[in-house]
Amino acid sequence: DGGITQSPKYLFRKEGQNVTLSCEQNLNHDAMYWYRQDPGQGLRLIYYSQIVNDFQKGDIAEGYSVSREKKESFPLTVTSAQKNPTAFYLCASHSGAGNYGYTFGSGTRLTVV
Amino acid sequence: QQQVKQSPQSLIVQKGGIPIINCAYENTAFDYFPWYQQFPGKGPALLIAIRPDVSEKKEGRFTISFNKSAKQFSLHIMDSQPGDSATYFCAASRTNTGKLIFGQGTTLQVKP
Repeated sequence: DGGITQSPKYLFRKEGQNVTLSCEQNLNHDAMYWYRQDPGQGLRLIYYSQIVNDFQKGDIAEGYSVSREKKESFPLTVTSAQKNPTAFYLCASHSGAGNYGYTFGSGTRLTVV
Repeated sequence: QQQVKQSPQSLIVQKGGIPIINCAYENTAFDYFPWYQQFPGKGPALLIAIRPDVSEKKEGRFTISFNKSAKQFSLHIMDSQPGDSATYFCAASRTNTGKLIFGQGTTLQVKP
């Protein structure tokens, strides 16, 4: 079955530590997105990539970094510069060919300990 | 200009009721308006979507009503069931960007 796989499902980060969230898709989609979800704030865009080796900052990119070396993969690194990283992180993709129905992964819940 | 405003923030209805969730947008260049349903601990799933050339779209018990002049659209859930209890997000995008702007979400509880 085609879909988006996010891992791990739960992640704990110590203060000052960088952590990387994985997002892999087998849908052959060109565009991929990272969103952060906090209670009462909806989904806020962190980074997005519409093609391999290219990505753009979203609305809340500070303290995050991404790479897009392969079409299938779009990992997100939460750096120590992100002061409030505790949130639910969602990865999404779409084909970009006039169809903008996003497919979402099941999310990673990141907690600072 | 890029915001999508969603209301109410939460909603409680009895089984069989018709919850209505509203969204408003400012950017007239938006031309794709989807609704997503999210259960706790899961990613959102596309429920139904509309383009501005139609005023209403139905899929099963879910209906989108679209008012282009008012720049508003809404989701109606007919004969709501406890299994519809979830968080609902509206969104909007421009076809040539594909980047969705999401509303703040509405948490719906359908009581048995």
